[in-house]
Formats: sequence, structure tokens, C-alpha cells
Amino acid sequence: NAGVTQTPKFQVLKTGQSMTLQCAQDMNHEYMSWYRQDPGMGLRLIHYSVGAGITDQGEVPNGYNVSRSTTEDFPLRLLSAAPSQTSVYFCASSYSLDANTGELFFGEGSRLTVL
Amino acid sequence: AQRVTQPEKLLSVFKGAPVELKCNYSYSGSPELFWYVQYSRQRLQLLLRHISRESIKGFTADLNKGETSFHLKKPFAQEEDSAMYYCALRDKSGGSNYKLTFGKGTLLTVNP
Repeated sequence: NAGVTQTPKFQVLKTGQSMTLQCAQDMNHEYMSWYRQDPGMGLRLIHYSVGAGITDQGEVPNGYNVSRSTTEDFPLRLLSAAPSQTSVYFCASSYSLDANTGELFFGEGSRLTVL
Repeated sequence: AQRVTQPEKLLSVFKGAPVELKCNYSYSGSPELFWYVQYSRQRLQLLLRHISRESIKGFTADLNKGETSFHLKKPFAQEEDSAMYYCALRDKSGGSNYKLTFGKGTLLTVNP
């Protein structure tokens, strides 16, 4: 059982380049999300999805696009990378966020540097 | 808007000493709160949730609605408790049940 898998683990981009961070889960979770982790800022929600074909914005969505064509995959796209997007990105999924059963399962993180 | 505040970025204690990681929240509604932990070279993971009223690895957290707090406590800290701890609040406003707001985290170091 792989859980939540993120690729790549490390990436260096130049300003203006585009890239996609991949996230896949094999737990049949309906809910998936992307967070960025910055020093002194904690974890901030970028985008989330409550099921295939459904996405919504989080706290810091600007500069990022997402799609959810399957239950398993939730890629995060940077169309034109900026130095402000240098961060560690985490994908997380959950069966639900109900208080009794909700638990977020996190990937290992992807460290992105934009020069 | 909801907010989660962890006032301490860093907390250092000695092994065997009590530890308390503070978490305060601002939320108009019935809050649902969680503590997540990230050990060195491991994934972020759920430690405990307020609704369960459980003790995990010796840690407990009580929701105090009057003080809007959800502090994490352990009576005798161990070196293996050294980690980054995040308090999180589930946002149920606006018809969405799926937003989890995290605090900025507290890095706990337990010294031998």
C-alpha cells in the first residue's frame, strides 16, 4: 500500500517555466488537497478536491491550477513559476474530513526552488 | 474567518519535564480541532483529534471553548517527542466541510 505518492521530490525551475507536481493515492480517497509549507507560515491550503471533476480554491490559489480527472490523481500545475513559489509542497488525501473519521494522509513533500 | 494561532515557534524542554504546546483558535461555530505531528524525515501525520478525547503517545488535548484553546500536553516529555507540531481547525463555513486550516507550527525539542 503506497499511500500518497508525490513526484518529483526535488525540482529547480527558472522564473517563467512551467511544471506539474504529481500526486497519486491508492486508498480510494475522495478528498485530495495541496498545501505549501513555508518557514514561519505553516501549512497553507492551495487547492482541494472533493471528488473527480470537482475542485475548489484554498487560501493561496493564485499561480496554481489543478484538475481531478480520476479519483487517484490530483496534479498541481505551475503555469509560469515565480520565486515566490519556492516552497515545499504537500499533497494530502482523506476518505472524509468528518470529525470522527477524517484524517489527512500526507505525501513526502516536493521541494521546489524557483530561481 | 477562521484562524489558528500557535504562539511559540520553538519550544525546548528537558527529558522528563512537562510540556505544553499552545493552540488558540478563532472560529464562529462549533470547532473541530486536530493536532498533527511531523517527526524528522517522516511524513506529517495525525496525532489526535479533540472529538476522540484520547491519549496518544502520552499526549492529551482538551478543547476549552471559553478560552478558545486546544493546548497539547504531556506530563513527561521524551526525546522521541522532538518534532514539529501543527494545530489544525476544520472549517465548515460556506457549505464546505473540507477545508483544514493549520497553525504555523511549533518545533519541540526535548533535550537529554
